[in-house]
Amino acid sequence: SAVISQKPSRDICQRGTSLTIQCQVDSQVTMMFWYRQQPGQSLTLIATANQGSEATYESGFVIDKFPISRPNLTFSTLTVSNMSPEDSSIYLCSAWTGGSSYEQYFGPGTRLTVT
Amino acid sequence: AQKITQTQPGMFVQEKEAVTLDCTYDTSDQSYGLFWYKQPSSGEMIFLIYQGSYDEQNATEGRYSLNFQKARKSANLVISASQLGDSAMYFCAMRLTLRAGNNRKLIWGLGTSLAVNP
Repeated sequence: SAVISQKPSRDICQRGTSLTIQCQVDSQVTMMFWYRQQPGQSLTLIATANQGSEATYESGFVIDKFPISRPNLTFSTLTVSNMSPEDSSIYLCSAWTGGSSYEQYFGPGTRLTVT
Repeated sequence: AQKITQTQPGMFVQEKEAVTLDCTYDTSDQSYGLFWYKQPSSGEMIFLIYQGSYDEQNATEGRYSLNFQKARKSANLVISASQLGDSAMYFCAMRLTLRAGNNRKLIWGLGTSLAVNP
């Protein structure tokens, strides 16, 4: 299994600023993902964080708005840039060890409110 | 197109009774995995149960079982002996296991909100 921690757990930010969310996994994992969950909604995949290369973004999400880093197999960051109230969501980090393992683990989430 | 459908936005169940949460999926791939996650009001996503497309037996994990009907493309979650702590959102998801790279992402349903009444 893998235990995932995220920092910060919640934040209130002003419009136009940026916030970087950190995700730390307690073991090496093959794939890391960043999701957004707006109030009362399902999860939407923002991007897959690739170790040592640029993240793979889903349709509707761009690197300038959501830059992602993954310097090694246990750590990733997501930055929400130039925030607007529409960015108010829970941001979830997720990890999959890959191979024959099927379970995908989630961090506790970061609750972001943009005013 | 790959899709997960959860048709029950909200469900109610009496404590100690069993409840079935519906999930249907759409894929032309032969190899895939089906997941159920629980999300309490605190927000964390808790893995409950997994069913592989080639698994012959229905998956079970304690009070959770997955009623897998491959021909109908359904993967319903059955919770037996409901407890008050089972009140949460429940999400069904699918991974296409023979796809590479980013195509191995989870595809999510919209979720079902379960309320357990005392």
